[in-house]
Amino acid sequence: GESVGLHLPTLSVQEGDNSIINCAYSNSASDYFIWYKQESGKGPQFIIDIRSNMDKRQGQRVTVLLNKTVKHLSLQIAATQPGDSAVYFCAENGGNNRLAFGKGNQVVVIP
Amino acid sequence: NAGVTQTPKFRILKIGQSMTLQCTQDMNHNYMYWYRQDPGMGLKLIYYSVGAGITDKGEVPNGYNVSRSTTEDFPLRLELAAPSQTSVYFCASNLQGDSQPQHFGDGTRLSIL
Repeated sequence: GESVGLHLPTLSVQEGDNSIINCAYSNSASDYFIWYKQESGKGPQFIIDIRSNMDKRQGQRVTVLLNKTVKHLSLQIAATQPGDSAVYFCAENGGNNRLAFGKGNQVVVIP
Repeated sequence: NAGVTQTPKFRILKIGQSMTLQCTQDMNHNYMYWYRQDPGMGLKLIYYSVGAGITDKGEVPNGYNVSRSTTEDFPLRLELAAPSQTSVYFCASNLQGDSQPQHFGDGTRLSIL
């Protein structure tokens, strides 16, 4: 069946460096994608979204890139800070008013 | 706005007991969702609702029931708790289905012993 997944389970990054988190999706009909951040003991928090009519979207210190040709989504975090340590996961609209979520990728920021 | 509020935050149940996880939102969102999240895993959809009086099954509905009598509230019921239902449960809501981000509560951590 269609699925959303992440390439790497854990990403360790030095404070101040840039982070890149990748996500592969398989539903070519998906036209809306979201990145969430989940801190320990908290619910997922919306970071940024992108629609399929765009290739790139920027927020505050974050950029989402969408490559529809290879069905790949990435989240770039600039100047990673300790507060960025969390699990990040992507989601795509899976149809039937639902979002399909990936398993998540742990980001650990090393001070 | 408080957003999405879930109660309780933690609960321990014995096998066979029942309980209701409460979820309320004050954003006048039409869509509401219940997910479970097991360790190291993503979110699995249990049930969802597109408006008051309407509910639909998600990926993993067995062992759960929901109701949506008001726009604000979407309680999740476990009738006969089983160890396999030990998980963290998240409620979410949004205005318009799969074309907008969902807003999540902080979860209910449930252990069945």
